[in-house]
Amino acid sequence: GESVGLHLPTLSVQEGDNSIINCAYSNSASDYFIWYKQESGKGPQFIIDIRSNMDKRQGQRVTVLLNKTVKHLSLQIAATQPGDSAVYFCAENAGGTSYGKLTFGQGTILTVHP
Amino acid sequence: GAVVSQHPSWVICKSGTSVKIECRSLDFQATTMFWYRQFPKQSLMLMATSNEGSKATYEQGVEKDKFLINHASLTLSTLTVTSAHPEDSSFYICSANENGVGNEQFFGPGTRLTVL
Repeated sequence: GESVGLHLPTLSVQEGDNSIINCAYSNSASDYFIWYKQESGKGPQFIIDIRSNMDKRQGQRVTVLLNKTVKHLSLQIAATQPGDSAVYFCAENAGGTSYGKLTFGQGTILTVHP
Repeated sequence: GAVVSQHPSWVICKSGTSVKIECRSLDFQATTMFWYRQFPKQSLMLMATSNEGSKATYEQGVEKDKFLINHASLTLSTLTVTSAHPEDSSFYICSANENGVGNEQFFGPGTRLTVL
């Protein structure tokens, strides 16, 4: 059931600012990483992914950075808009026999103020 | 992108009854689908991997006799919560990999289960 007292990290920004959301992953064998956006009452929506042989990948208004040395992943959103307000999750896949299985991070609540 | 649907989107049931949730890949075939559970203000937790034509693989701590998974075709997996209890109330989400097309998983919209 729900863990009492559990709070997701939060990030509040002004519209137009850049946002950086961080994630620490646990499995050094993970070779594929994804960022998802989840709006209230909906399923996760794919934002961007990156493989372990890369350290940076850019999309439209979003950039993902991967630091395998410290097992850290970040999502940068440029010119954040109110519609970007949601919970953001990183996910990792270890590949191999775990192909397709994703382990999700705890999530960060992003609130964009007009 | 590929679309995954779930039915129903929400369900309320009495304690002790069973509830079936469907997950469909609408425009692609998926040999493998995944079922997740998400409690309020928490992350998604993988429950099981659903394999077309074979038994599901359950994650540690998930009761296979309580959460029955059937993947009878390449576009449909079902999750049945048997003898539901209030603590089973949660948001259940499925996802699917398109056969032969990389790692990307496509998620369904989720099913909100409330057990009274």
